[in-house]
Amino acid sequence: NAGVTQTPKFQVLKTGQSMTLQCAQDMNHEYMSWYRQDPGMGLRLIHYSVGAGITDQGEVPNGYNVSRSTTEDFPLRLLSAAPSQTSVYFCASSYSPGGVGYTFGSGTRLTVV
Amino acid sequence: GENVEQHPSTLSVQEGDSAVIKCTYSDSASNYFPWYKQELGKGPQLIIDIRSNVGEKKDQRIAVTLNKTAKHFSLHITETQPEDSAVYFCAASYGQNFVFGPGTRLSVLP
Repeated sequence: NAGVTQTPKFQVLKTGQSMTLQCAQDMNHEYMSWYRQDPGMGLRLIHYSVGAGITDQGEVPNGYNVSRSTTEDFPLRLLSAAPSQTSVYFCASSYSPGGVGYTFGSGTRLTVV
Repeated sequence: GENVEQHPSTLSVQEGDSAVIKCTYSDSASNYFPWYKQELGKGPQLIIDIRSNVGEKKDQRIAVTLNKTAKHFSLHITETQPEDSAVYFCAASYGQNFVFGPGTRLSVLP
């Protein structure tokens, strides 16, 4: 039972490049979300999904795109990377909306130069 | 929207002492309050949570208290050990999501 798996663990991008951060869970959780973590600011919600085919914006969605074609996968796309998107990104999943029993992945550290 | 404040931002205690971290929230509709522990290089891990219909919950050395009237909740760690050193985050439910506090870096000194 792997839980929530994020790839890659580290990534360096040049300004303007695009990339996809992968997130997969094997717990059959309906609810999945993406957070970014910046020093002194805690975790801020980027996008979330309450089930396959359903996504919605969180607190800081600009510059990011998501889709949810299966229950297991919830990729996060950076459309045109900017230095302000340098951060640590966490994917999380839960069996219920509201995040009861949230399980987080181990994170992707992204640097945009 | 919901706003969660957390104090202190850093906390150092001697091994064996108690540690208390306090959070306040603004939305009276929030009804679920989890606490997460994040060790260096890892994702946050749920350590305890409390619902709005409960005033206190304990799990071994960890306890959480909730005062709905004052809109604040606290994490209490007793008999601290070096492995308790980490960053702790509180959170409050907001609709289908959470709002997290900015975190408290706890250092347990041997």
